[in-house]
Amino acid sequence: EAQVTQNPRYLITVTGKKLTVTCSQNMNHEYMSWYRQDPGLGLRQIYYSMNVEVTDKGDVPEGYKVSRKEKRNFPLILESPSPNQTSLYFCASSFRLGNQPQHFGDGTRLSIL
Amino acid sequence: EDKVVQSPLSLVVHEGDTVTLNCSYEVTNFRSLLWYKQEKKAPTFLFMLTSSGIEKKSGRLSSILDKKELFSILNITATQTGDSAVYLCAFWAFGNEKLTFGTGTRLTIIP
Repeated sequence: EAQVTQNPRYLITVTGKKLTVTCSQNMNHEYMSWYRQDPGLGLRQIYYSMNVEVTDKGDVPEGYKVSRKEKRNFPLILESPSPNQTSLYFCASSFRLGNQPQHFGDGTRLSIL
Repeated sequence: EDKVVQSPLSLVVHEGDTVTLNCSYEVTNFRSLLWYKQEKKAPTFLFMLTSSGIEKKSGRLSSILDKKELFSILNITATQTGDSAVYLCAFWAFGNEKLTFGTGTRLTIIP
């Protein structure tokens, strides 16, 4: 089954404790991106990747890192999480950049205390 | 700055009613507009529109784009409780490597 898989689905942690949210897709998609979704602000892009070893900042990259060492995986790293990063996070992928529907993972709800 | 505005913010109707959701946009180098449905988790793709005046249809859902007036509508006829969700509008622009999303319309269908 074609899918985007995120882990964990839920995480409660404390300020400053490094965490990684994994994202994997099995559709051989080139383009992957991370979004955060907050009430009243909609989905905002954090980082995106157009292919292996090619990543770039989205609208709200501060406090986040990503890597794309393999085509299928695009982890999101919070090196020193803070409470303002409490949010619902989505990973998405599409075959290539632009003019394609993106396929979304089921989301990761992060709470930073 | 490119942006998309959806209206209404929320809508409550009875089962069987017809609803129209609106999406207006301001974007340089518009490429395509997309509609998604978001229930409790991942947004799921509904339609992608690139040409004005051509209706896309899937069952009780349909959508159309007006590139001159810069808006799109999503129609749902004979609504069912399973249509309750947040409906998101987004666009791709040429030279821009991201989907830009609106904040969504929350639709609630009362049995």
